[in-house]
Amino acid sequence: RKEVEQDPGPFNVPEGATVAFNCTYSNSASQSFFWYRQDCRKEPKLLMSVYSSGNEDGRFTAQLNRASQYISLLIRDSKLSDSATYLCAVNGDYGGATNKLIFGTGTLLAVQP
Amino acid sequence: ETGVTQTPRHLVMGMTNKKSLKCEQHLGHNAMYWYKQSAKKPLELMFVYNFKEQTENNSVPSRFSPECPNSSHLFLHLHTLQPEDSALYLCASSQDYSPDEQFFGPGTRLTVL
Repeated sequence: RKEVEQDPGPFNVPEGATVAFNCTYSNSASQSFFWYRQDCRKEPKLLMSVYSSGNEDGRFTAQLNRASQYISLLIRDSKLSDSATYLCAVNGDYGGATNKLIFGTGTLLAVQP
Repeated sequence: ETGVTQTPRHLVMGMTNKKSLKCEQHLGHNAMYWYKQSAKKPLELMFVYNFKEQTENNSVPSRFSPECPNSSHLFLHLHTLQPEDSALYLCASSQDYSPDEQFFGPGTRLTVL
């Protein structure tokens, strides 16, 4: 099993749709979770951290399910500008380096007009 | 955009060349990272420097040689690379070597002929 796994997509959705991505992780000791956004040919940028209680930032909601070892990102009322690749990142005791961030391959979202 | 800068943005080199990638962060951070991003693969952590000291070397081939002269600058020296080393090389920094937000530079797109 991969350390961090995401559905690569692409997710093709119409404007205004609600879309959700999941990201599973293999190490139950992981403590920190993040969603990054990467536009085509650009660098990743932090979208939001994921807290145990879940967190919301405008149209974006992130949640953590420790029992099933996955994090999710929900985007409501999709905009054309949301089109990007969404990367999840997880830390944990991977090979003894607890501060190491492991990234998923990313999920490509394409919002259609 | 200007928090973490990288030069050059694009680089084409032959397998016998020697070149260096440069990264500079203007954020006052203490930790800096080199990542490799290849198509269809997750971000791969290569090296970590914390307070100028190398704390991680993820089994990277010796043809990649990092250098961190101070906490604001990071170099990646390249020699006798292989075509499979062609990728986007991303530099990142964070306040400390902890699983918090990492700020990425725009990357250097490297092509090895």
